[in-house]
Amino acid sequence: DVKVTQSSRYLVKRTGEKVFLECVQDMDHENMFWYRQDPGLGLRLIYFSYDVKMKEKGDIPEGYSVSREKKERFSLILESASTNQTSMYLCASSTGTGYTGELFFGEGSRLTVL
Amino acid sequence: DQQVKQNSPSLSVQEGRISILNCDYTNSMFDYFLWYKKYPAEGPTFLISISSIKDKNEDGRFTVFLNKSAKHLSLHIVPSQPGDSAVYFCAAPFEADDYKLSFGAGTTVTVRA
Repeated sequence: DVKVTQSSRYLVKRTGEKVFLECVQDMDHENMFWYRQDPGLGLRLIYFSYDVKMKEKGDIPEGYSVSREKKERFSLILESASTNQTSMYLCASSTGTGYTGELFFGEGSRLTVL
Repeated sequence: DQQVKQNSPSLSVQEGRISILNCDYTNSMFDYFLWYKKYPAEGPTFLISISSIKDKNEDGRFTVFLNKSAKHLSLHIVPSQPGDSAVYFCAAPFEADDYKLSFGAGTTVTVRA
C-alpha cells in the first residue's frame, strides 16, 4: 500500500514564525503535491513537484515555498506564518507514468497560527 | 475561480436510502473526473472515477453519472450506510491529461441510522 506520511498532525505556531511541514512517500512516486483544505473552499493546490528539485506554483502559492531535495520527500515552508494560514495541510503523491488520476494523500497537518 | 463546483455543502439521508451528490464543472476540456472521500482527521481517499467517453461508471454501491452537455456529474450511493458519513469531493484535472487535480468545495454526507 502507498504510504504518505506527514511529520506533524497538529501544530500551533505564533505569527511571524517559520514553519516546516514535512511529507514522505514510500512508493517512488514522481509527483508530489501540497494542498490546503478550508471549509467551503475544498482543497486548493499550493505547490507541486514532478521531479527532484523541480517545483511549480499551484493556485495559492503566496506566502509559501517548497523544497524537494530527494524524490521521497517534499517540504512545505511558511517563511513567516500569518493567521490566515491557519488550515489543514494535505500532502499527496502520484505516479508520473501516464495519467492515472489517483492522488494518495497523507493524514494531514492541522496548523493553527496565533 | 473554482472550475469544479459542489453547490450543496451538506446532505442528510436515512440509512438504506439513496444519497445523490452533485458536481458541476466549467471547463469543457475536462475529460476525467474523480470522487474522493474524506473522514475527519484523515486524508482523502480515492473512491471512483469516470472518463468522458462514458456516461456511467459503477463500483459496488457507488455509481457516478456524467452528463457532458450539462457539464454535470453526480455520485449515487445505494444503499447508504452509516460508514458512508464523510465529506465527498469531486475533482478533475486542471488540463486534459494533466496530473494536477482541481477539487470542489466538498459535500458532507450524514447517514442517519
